Amino acid sequence: KAGVTQTPRYLIKTRGQQVTLSCSPISGHRSVSWYQQTPGQGLQFLFEYFSETQRNKGNFPGRFSGRQFSNSRSEMNVSTLELGDSALYLCASSLGPSATNEKLFFGSGTQLSVL
Amino acid sequence: AQSVTQLGSHVSVSEGALVLLRCNYSSSVPPYLFWYVQYPNQGLQLLLKYTSAATLVKGINGFEAEFKKSETSFHLTKPSAHMSDAAEYFCAVSDRGRDDKIIFGKGTRLHILP
Repeated sequence: KAGVTQTPRYLIKTRGQQVTLSCSPISGHRSVSWYQQTPGQGLQFLFEYFSETQRNKGNFPGRFSGRQFSNSRSEMNVSTLELGDSALYLCASSLGPSATNEKLFFGSGTQLSVL
Repeated sequence: AQSVTQLGSHVSVSEGALVLLRCNYSSSVPPYLFWYVQYPNQGLQLLLKYTSAATLVKGINGFEAEFKKSETSFHLTKPSAHMSDAAEYFCAVSDRGRDDKIIFGKGTRLHILP
């Protein structure tokens, strides 16, 4: 069974641009959650989607948005990029909602650099 | 709301020595607790999880963790460190769906000295 796939693996953008990151969950998984990882801050929760509905959202500005498609694939969009958005963005999938005892399966992440 | 604190952003142990990574949590209800490991250039992998069964939880690669309610702790241990254990370790807490989020600690990078 294929794992969680995130594309692209690396991305370089300039301030003010927008970016879209993609996440394909493990087949059969209906929950996709997104995290921002930066040195010293660990993983910060962005949002979670389950069956195309956003279940929860972290404390990030409205420039960060996402969606989930009927095949459970998810995209995350960041508009008007700022230097502080440089981070590793991780996607995780699970069978059910993440905030239970479900095991999360993580992708390798998209490393975003904002210049 | 739940929270988790990992003591020590970097821990160094000699190969063969005991590994102890500390995690303290805060939760208004009995939590689910997890340890994840991240190897360089990879995503996170689940090491073990506590879901209110046995308080001593055994995970993969020889790791185990003990849930201590009185100390609100869930420390990760391994009797004998191996070079391949060098990675970043994250403790995480969930309030069993009430807040609908899993909260991760800031991570502890484990260095293994030869």
